Amino acid sequence: DTGVSQNPRHKITKRGQNVTFRCDPISEHNRLYWYRQTLGQGPEFLTYFQNEAQLEKSRLLSDRFSAERPKGSFSTLEIQRTEQGDSAMYLCASSLIGNTEAFFGQGTRLTVV
Amino acid sequence: KQEVTQIPAALSVPEGENLVLNCSFTDSAIYNLQWFRQDPGKGLTSLLLIQSSQREQTSGRLNASLDKSSGRSTLYIAASQPGDSATYLCAVENDSNYQLIWGAGTKLIIKP
Repeated sequence: DTGVSQNPRHKITKRGQNVTFRCDPISEHNRLYWYRQTLGQGPEFLTYFQNEAQLEKSRLLSDRFSAERPKGSFSTLEIQRTEQGDSAMYLCASSLIGNTEAFFGQGTRLTVV
Repeated sequence: KQEVTQIPAALSVPEGENLVLNCSFTDSAIYNLQWFRQDPGKGLTSLLLIQSSQREQTSGRLNASLDKSSGRSTLYIAASQPGDSATYLCAVENDSNYQLIWGAGTKLIIKP
C-alpha cells in the first residue's frame, strides 16, 4: 500500500461546472476525512466518514458539496456549480479508529476560473 | 471552540542551529496533538503524534512536547538542515468530535 491517493492532482474548471475528486485511503483504515486548505492557512475540516457512514459535516460544506464513501472504501467529493471561492487544495486523510495518526494524500488543487 | 495558534508565522535560521516551533491551543480537552510538515503545493506529512496522556515524542532529530494544562506544544528540531525547510503545522484532535483543528503553520527556512 503506497498511502493515501488522491485524483486528480490538479483540476481547472470554469465557474458553474461540476467537479468530482476521488480519494483512496490506506486499505485497512476505517476513518476518512476531507479538508480544504487555502493559501497560507491551515486546513479546514469538511467532513468525516467512519466506514461508509458520514458521521460529521462542517458548516463549510454547503448544499453544493456532497461526499460519499460507498462500501467504506474510496471516497468522492463532488462540488456542483463551482464558484471562484471554491478554489483551494482539497485534502483527504485516513486513519484507524482510536487514537492514531492521520495520514494525508497529496491533495487535489482546484482552480475555478 | 478550540483555537490553535502557531508562533512565529515564519522563521529563518542558519543551517546547523537548533530551533523550537510553538503551538498553543485554547481547550485542553484533546485526544492528541500532531505535528505535520508541508512542502510547497504538496500534501501533509505526519511527523509526530502525542497522545493526551503523553508528555513528549521523539523521532530522529525531532522532539515534540505537550503540556495539556497550559495548552502548549513545542517542536524541537536539532541540527537543522536545508532539507528541513517547509511549513510546519500542528493540529489537535478534540475529545468530542475527532476533527483535527489546525494552526496556520510556521514557515521555516534553513539557510545553507
